[in-house]
Amino acid sequence: KQEVTQIPAALSVPEGENLVLNCSFTDSAIYNLQWFRQDPGKGLTSLLLIQSSQREQTSGRLNASLDKSSGRSTLYIAASQPGDSATYLCAVLNTGNQFYFGTGTSLTVIP
Amino acid sequence: DAMVIQNPRYQVTQFGKPVTLSCSQTLNHNVMYWYQQKSSQAPKLLFHYYDKDFNNEADTPDNFQSRRPNTSFCFLDIRSPGLGDAAMYLCATSRRPGAASNQPQHFGDGTRLSIL
Repeated sequence: KQEVTQIPAALSVPEGENLVLNCSFTDSAIYNLQWFRQDPGKGLTSLLLIQSSQREQTSGRLNASLDKSSGRSTLYIAASQPGDSATYLCAVLNTGNQFYFGTGTSLTVIP
Repeated sequence: DAMVIQNPRYQVTQFGKPVTLSCSQTLNHNVMYWYQQKSSQAPKLLFHYYDKDFNNEADTPDNFQSRRPNTSFCFLDIRSPGLGDAAMYLCATSRRPGAASNQPQHFGDGTRLSIL
């Protein structure tokens, strides 16, 4: 069964810092990997999706990379802002048509 | 415009009293998922429908059932809720994977279930 892990579990940075969130998965037979943002008590908002054939995707200050063979993805956030404070989750879609989520990283950006 | 709609946003039920949560989508997606998310934990997949085919996760309790009467709607039934079933329940949709692996998964805002 697919296992998805995110490190660190929590991260606190001062405003303006660049930061990297990590996601690792055990089964490389995936269709895609998706990064989500979740605010407290809310649903999930999709940030970036990387297909298994791609290496990276960018949206504004966010850049996500994927190394499928090593089972790793990173989410890079440039010039962090207090509004970026949220929990960030990665999820992989495996070839069995199931999404598996990581444990999440709780990010706090301090003004 | 909301594309995946969950009703209600907040649901309170009594211990042991059956409850149904609903999800509808305007995306015409093939696949609909139900997740359970407890506080500070990752969403846990309960089951999903691929069109009319129901796929249950091995560790989903028998207490949890689902119905998908048509493409647009999917229901989560909890037959006898226990205190441990209090959680946020998230519905999501996606297109058929493989041919559409560049299509993201879309989530509703969730239903927060409380058990008295």
